[in-house]
Amino acid sequence: EAGVAQSPRYKIIEKRQSVAFWCNPISGHATLYWYQQILGQGPKLLIQFQNNGVVDDSQLPKDRFSAERLKGVDSTLKIQPAKLEDSAVYLCASSFAGFKETQYFGPGTRLLVL
Amino acid sequence: DQQVKQNSPSLSVQEGRISILNCDYTNSMFDYFLWYKKYPAEGPTFLISISSIKDKNEDGRFTVFLNKSAKHLSLHIVPSQPGDSAVYFCAASFGYALNFGKGTSLLVTP
Repeated sequence: EAGVAQSPRYKIIEKRQSVAFWCNPISGHATLYWYQQILGQGPKLLIQFQNNGVVDDSQLPKDRFSAERLKGVDSTLKIQPAKLEDSAVYLCASSFAGFKETQYFGPGTRLLVL
Repeated sequence: DQQVKQNSPSLSVQEGRISILNCDYTNSMFDYFLWYKKYPAEGPTFLISISSIKDKNEDGRFTVFLNKSAKHLSLHIVPSQPGDSAVYFCAASFGYALNFGKGTSLLVTP
């Protein structure tokens, strides 16, 4: 079974530029999560989708971050404009149903904002 | 505020010995707890979980203990192997979202 795929793996941009990350979850998984992991911290949930609807985006900085999950499969997370403090690893995870289900993580995208 | 705390940033254990990783939480609503393991440049991998209705769960060399009154859980690895060297994250939830600790870096030396 293929795991969660993410691209790109690494991205370096300058502040005020925009960037987008892509995630393809495990086939058949209805729930998709985006996490931000800052160096030395644990992952922090940014947004959760159930199929193509948003379940929780309470910690997403909506003035600069946006995410979508068209057709309930792939998802993209965008940052526009980026700030220095957005430097982090962005992890995508998926689970079969969501509630009390094991979340499977992708390898992450490491973003450096200069 | 950090609702899940892992107060030991690092731990070093000899191969064959027991590794004990600790985690404390503050939110009494949490009813499901998990441990994830993370190697460099990879995403976290699920290791073991426990529901709040239990106080122990075992899976091979890994055992998780939950003490609800103390709001404390621990992960025991017996015997420890060099391949267990990784960062271990404790996570807790009472709904969909997982709340992670900062992680403990485990080094198992030969």
